[in-house]
Amino acid sequence: DAKTTQPNSMESNEEEPVHLPCNHSTISGTDYIHWYRQLPSQGPEYVIHGLTSNVNNRMASLAIAEDRKSSTLILHRATLRDAAVYYCILLNTGGFKTIFGAGTRLFVKA
Amino acid sequence: DVKVTQSSRYLVKRTGEKVFLECVQDMDHENMFWYRQDPGLGLRLIYFSYDVKMKEKGDIPEGYSVSREKKERFSLILESASTNQTSMYLCASSLSRGLTYGYTFGSGTRLTVV
Repeated sequence: DAKTTQPNSMESNEEEPVHLPCNHSTISGTDYIHWYRQLPSQGPEYVIHGLTSNVNNRMASLAIAEDRKSSTLILHRATLRDAAVYYCILLNTGGFKTIFGAGTRLFVKA
Repeated sequence: DVKVTQSSRYLVKRTGEKVFLECVQDMDHENMFWYRQDPGLGLRLIYFSYDVKMKEKGDIPEGYSVSREKKERFSLILESASTNQTSMYLCASSLSRGLTYGYTFGSGTRLTVV
């Protein structure tokens, strides 16, 4: 199964943009890149996903490298409520197994 | 909105007990999953089910079993609880293979085995 690599933690100031990186150098052509976040004492929640093209939604933007070996989740203006663990995972058309790594813990300073 | 409901937020059980963790989803999703989450290890898949009465092992199925008698309900069973099964357990569901709509998770059950 393809694996993702993320920094353990990142820090941001409130109302500044945040770029959360994810490396997935062994990604296959049928792997979708998904991002989830987990707030304290809650289960993970879906943020955004993509295959090849950059994606935008009301929560965030996803920038995918041309070779698809890395991606970046962009929070345009971080708020204190965005402090969470962010997971980058790969979902494959060929199966159900999903590997969640340890994710990136985002700290947001007021 | 899809809801995934786990029956207990906190549970304390004794070593050797048989433990049932229940999960119910209300949006007719085909697939359901059980994960455990431990500090530094992320989420690890225990079992999943893609249809009623169907189940597949995940990465760490040892010591666990599952039951899916109805589409909306997926139960995780610890046959004989041990202290190394103390963990946060997360249930999730998805439509199809989760590629387009992703997974919806419950709030988790924090199980302590003493």
